[in-house]
Amino acid sequence: EVQLLESGGGLVEPGGSLRLSCAASGFTFSTYAMSWVRQAPGKGLEWVSVISGSSIRADYAESVKGRFTISRDNSKNTLFLEMESLRAEDTAVYYCAKDGVVATTRPKFFEYWGHGTLVTVSS
Amino acid sequence: DIQMTQTPSTLSASVGDRVTITCRASQSISSWLAWYQQRPGKAPKLLIYKASTLQTGVPSRFSGSGSGTEFTLTISSLQPDDFATYYCQQYSTDTTFGQGTKVEIK
Repeated sequence: EVQLLESGGGLVEPGGSLRLSCAASGFTFSTYAMSWVRQAPGKGLEWVSVISGSSIRADYAESVKGRFTISRDNSKNTLFLEMESLRAEDTAVYYCAKDGVVATTRPKFFEYWGHGTLVTVSS
Repeated sequence: DIQMTQTPSTLSASVGDRVTITCRASQSISSWLAWYQQRPGKAPKLLIYKASTLQTGVPSRFSGSGSGTEFTLTISSLQPDDFATYYCQQYSTDTTFGQGTKVEIK
């Protein structure tokens, strides 16, 4: 059974930093691209970032480019999102999501999602 | 960026109704479209990918159609579990989601 478990969310002041983690199990982690998708309170879904299985390629939404860094540790089946220079508009539930297509380098459809972790940026 | 527009934003329906949600892309995306269901407080769930391929385990009352710029998600007979918000997602060029369609009880 595929499981994705996010952690690391919390309350942070504007300009601050936070590191999210996503522990994966139930599939061959290193062969799938992984993404972060966020959802602001009461709003829709926004794709944030993707990283290929081997970490060769990473892409970001324009809204987070230069502030967020995605990475992964395939030896520990864990995905990360390092968030810096946080703004109020980054407040959201952050989901990690497994791509539905093996060995892709760009985001496709998202076959499995974690339960999400809430990031609140406020003073 | 490819923009995705869903209509309607809200839909009121009753159990047993046939429901159709439309998703339009600002440019052709071939069949690179997925549909998700999200219940309140829960993560999205994949229903359909490649416009019309039903994800394993999803009830057959859900179906998807379309190609190019216009797509539809149809629920043939609405069940109590289906009252939720539905999102389309294009993955032809990068990826973007529609704004969502909330299916509520009439």
